[in-house]
Amino acid sequence: DAGITQSPRHKVTETGTPVTLRCHQTENHRYMYWYRQDPGHGLRLIHYSYGVKDTDKGEVSDGYSVSRSKTEDFLLTLESATSSQTSVYFCAIRQGPNSNQPQHFGDGTRLSIL
Amino acid sequence: AQKITQTQPGMFVQEKEAVTLDCTYDTSDPSYGLFWYKQPSSGEMIFLIYQGSYDQQNATEGRYSLNFQKARKSANLVISASQLGDSAMYFCAMRGNQGGKLIFGQGTELSVKP
Repeated sequence: DAGITQSPRHKVTETGTPVTLRCHQTENHRYMYWYRQDPGHGLRLIHYSYGVKDTDKGEVSDGYSVSRSKTEDFLLTLESATSSQTSVYFCAIRQGPNSNQPQHFGDGTRLSIL
Repeated sequence: AQKITQTQPGMFVQEKEAVTLDCTYDTSDPSYGLFWYKQPSSGEMIFLIYQGSYDQQNATEGRYSLNFQKARKSANLVISASQLGDSAMYFCAMRGNQGGKLIFGQGTELSVKP
């Protein structure tokens, strides 16, 4: 168990509303990632963090922002949700400084934008 | 550009038989890592096995082994003695250049028949 908790696990909201997803880890890992999973696309990186207040964009970052004010929490925000952001969102951590170490994932958040 | 291709959308295997799931990759980096993940119907992502580009031997983890053919740029997952609990989606992934992100293939859905 990598000690990753995602909240909420499920959310339904309306187009245009702001949404924040939380990823919480208990083991003080430096690297954290947000992915989205859509049919036919596998998982795609949205944003990642390599330390407190250190974040960078992934391949599908448009419409998303992130924040990491504490080591244990990595927040993903949809400022104004759109139907195209309906997806399953996964947070992941990397258990060490070596980029060849595997990432371990939270249980996911299923987000529906109506 | 880095890319992972999984050409088998779905596969069936008889219980207790071995099965090979295909994965090909494309990268110009001499150093890279390849990962396999399992996603059961419950949705979580489970790390299975890792292969480094400089590893001399094929990786093995219990019933999982990785048939790594560097010249062909393939990293096929072999599951021996399939069990009903192996029924799941399987994703091949490669470590990308950006913060150790993972680049995923589209997945293969494996169904194990009793």
